Amino acid sequence: AQSVTQLGSHVSVSEGALVLLRCNYSSSVPPYLFWYVQYPNQGLQLLLKYTTGATLVKGINGFEAEFKKSETSFHLTKPSAHMSDAAEYFCAASSSGGYQKVTFGTGTKLQVIP
Amino acid sequence: SAVISQKPSRDICQRGTSLTIQCQVDSQVTMMFWYRQQPGQSLTLIATANQGSEATYESGFVIDKFPISRPNLTFSTLTVSNMSPEDSSIYLCSVSRDIDSGANVLTFGAGSRLTVL
Repeated sequence: AQSVTQLGSHVSVSEGALVLLRCNYSSSVPPYLFWYVQYPNQGLQLLLKYTTGATLVKGINGFEAEFKKSETSFHLTKPSAHMSDAAEYFCAASSSGGYQKVTFGTGTKLQVIP
Repeated sequence: SAVISQKPSRDICQRGTSLTIQCQVDSQVTMMFWYRQQPGQSLTLIATANQGSEATYESGFVIDKFPISRPNLTFSTLTVSNMSPEDSSIYLCSVSRDIDSGANVLTFGAGSRLTVL
């Protein structure tokens, strides 16, 4: 069974600083990996996903993530934080092939300090 | 991508009562999913709802507590029965946005925040 671990339930960065949100997965085979963002009082939105191919994946709003099989990691980064990035971020994983169950991490709340 | 509307957006309920959450999608979808989001915990899948068949429940969730209906390809309901304070949570409806690249990409409604007193 899949499991997803997000290190740090709360992360604070200064506006303009690097954003790094950590995610590790546990799987016997490389899964499909996702990052979702949830703004207050809204549903989750897909930021980016990794399925196969290039291990560095670019998403919306300047975010990107790199799949590292050797480290079983899929950390989310953004070079320069913006106030509008303040939200909760969820890492998720699923097995490959169609309507597979998606397993979520516990989420990381990102605070951006002016 | 699909647009999902959930009702109610929030409610305060008394212990022992039941509440039904509605999920309306603006396009026909094969599979709908119900998740629970508790503070400090990951989103937990309650069940998968296919039109025309019984919902498939995850371990720890039972039909008597969380009955689900799926009368057509655009609508589903989740009932939280005989509520206790432990059921206070956000309940989220989601659908598979597409299966491009074989990945189950989800679209979510804004959620229904239930508080049980």
